Amino acid sequence: DAGVIQSPRHEVTEMGQEVTLRCKPISGHNSLFWYRQTMMRGLELLIYFNNNVPIDDSGMPEDRFSAKMPNASFSTLKIQPSEPRDSAVYFCASSWDRGSYTFGSGTRLTVV
Amino acid sequence: EDKVVQSPLSLVVHEGDTVTLNCSYEVTNFRSLLWYKQEKKAPTFLFMLTSSGIEKKSGRLSSILDKKELSSILNITATQTGDSAIYLCAVDQGGSEKLVFGKGTKLTVNP
Repeated sequence: DAGVIQSPRHEVTEMGQEVTLRCKPISGHNSLFWYRQTMMRGLELLIYFNNNVPIDDSGMPEDRFSAKMPNASFSTLKIQPSEPRDSAVYFCASSWDRGSYTFGSGTRLTVV
Repeated sequence: EDKVVQSPLSLVVHEGDTVTLNCSYEVTNFRSLLWYKQEKKAPTFLFMLTSSGIEKKSGRLSSILDKKELSSILNITATQTGDSAIYLCAVDQGGSEKLVFGKGTKLTVNP
């Protein structure tokens, strides 16, 4: 199993540009989570999906952030327009049962 | 507001030392507590604790949950440089599947 696959690994973009982060969960996992990690705030849950349906998006910071899961094997997190304070490592994780969380390697986003 | 607090925030020890990392929580509903190790990339799962007083062990690492004190500890004996990482504590609140994470303890083991 290749695990949770995220792309790109690194993204540097200018303020105001649109950024799209991608995630492929582990096959058979029915829940998918997007987290953001910063030194100041640690790991924060942005949104999670169960069976491709968004269940809780209360962690999405602003309308500039949106996430989709069009099918069981793919999800995107989009930031439009991006701002310097969005700079962080964004993790995707998937699970099929509580405690079976598997994290991807993350996307390090830098907005200049 | 649900929260998970870890202490210390950082710790520097020498190889061979024993360390104890702490995690306390205040959540509306508690289902389980999880420990993760994060090196350069993704957090990797260490333990899940659901029952108070029962120790989970894996090699030199062990963890125990105290539901009365709303806390958990992670012990690492005979530390090695490869134990250097950020150790994250998270609580599963039940109801929803989201985990509430602490900010982590950064452990540095020097040779």
